[in-house]
Parts: sequence; structure tokens; C-alpha cells
Amino acid sequence: SQTIHQWPATLVQPVGSPLSLECTVEGTSNPNLYWYRQAAGRGLQLLFYSVGIGQISSEVPQNLSASRPQDRQFILSSKKLLLSDSGFYLCAWSATRRVGTEAFFGQGTRLTVV
Amino acid sequence: AQKITQTQPGMFVQEKEAVTLDCTYDTSDPSYGLFWYKQPSSGEMIFLIYQGSYDQQNATEGRYSLNFQKARKSANLVISASQLGDSAMYFCAMREPSTDSNYQLIWGAGTKLIIKP
Repeated sequence: SQTIHQWPATLVQPVGSPLSLECTVEGTSNPNLYWYRQAAGRGLQLLFYSVGIGQISSEVPQNLSASRPQDRQFILSSKKLLLSDSGFYLCAWSATRRVGTEAFFGQGTRLTVV
Repeated sequence: AQKITQTQPGMFVQEKEAVTLDCTYDTSDPSYGLFWYKQPSSGEMIFLIYQGSYDQQNATEGRYSLNFQKARKSANLVISASQLGDSAMYFCAMREPSTDSNYQLIWGAGTKLIIKP
């Protein structure tokens, strides 16, 4: 069966420090991968998605970047964190891009920038 | 314009009662998919149920069912015999073919459901 792992679960980082959040998927190949951010009590905002190795699309301009060095690995990064980068970050995968394909989510990372 | 609207920011329901969570959507594409997710306090998003725009029958998954009214662009989630463990945020989402073939999920703002013992 397919599983998705995301770490760390919680992170407190000072302003200006770098960030690296990692997400890996097991049990499938060539997944579509997504990074979402969720502000407290709000819905999800899509940050990045990837349909293959090295293929990254950004949905919103921001201080963050994403990379997909391997088929089932998706990394969210920042060189210098801002206070506004605080939030709950979720990685997700889906098998195809058909309308009927559900996305499966990792456990999320709660990032607090201080 | 809002693509997915969840008008109930919060709901309190007595345990064992049925509950309906509202979701309306806006799309001009004839092909689309509607999803409901549950997010407990732990934070993970749990897929509950899916309804395709061409599906003739309302989707059901255990205690979850989707009241799909296509003409009204409504896809309400019904939870029968609510349990304390149903307390969570519930999100409605839609996927439609987009010009860049992303097929991304578009999310509502969510409804916080609290089940009272």
C-alpha cells in the first residue's frame, strides 16, 4: 500500500534561518506531488506541485522554493525564513491528474518562525 | 469569485444525531470531481468521499454520504449517527481540468464540527 511521510512534525526556527521540509512517498511510482500551506483555521493554499523529477510549478510568489530530486521525494526550502512563513505545511500526492483522483496527505509540519 | 463555498464556519451537534455540512461550488466545466476531507486536531487530512460530476447516484462511504444536487451546484456531506470522534474540521474540495493541466484541488474554507456528548 502507498504511504506518505513528512517530517519534521514541528519546527521552530528564527527569522532569517534556512528551512528544509522533506516528504517521501512509498508504494507508488511517478506520483504527482504537492506542497500546501494552511493558515490557522483556514483552508489549504497550494504552494508547489510537481508532475515529475525536476519539474516544479509554483502557484504563488513567495519566499519558498521546492525541489524534486527523486521520483518520490519532494522538498520545501527557504534560504531565509520570514515571520509570515509560519503555518502548517502539508505534503500530498495523487496517482494521476484525472478529476476523480483523490490526494493523500502527510501528517503535516507545524512551522513557527520566531 | 469563490469556487468552493462552505457557509458554516462552525457547528455543534449532539452525539448520535445526523449532521449535514454544506458545500456549494462554481464551475463551468462539465467534468469535475468533488471531495470531502476531514482534518482532526492532529492536522492530517483524511479523505472521506468523492463524487464525480457524471455520477448518477450520490456517493456513500459507511456513515458518510454526499447529497449531490448538480443543478444547484451543491455537494453537502451528510454524516449519520455522529460520534465524538467526528469532531474535526471538514473541507470540501473540487478538482476540474485547468488550462495548465495541473488538475489541482480547490479548497473551501472548512467547517469546524463539534460533537457534544
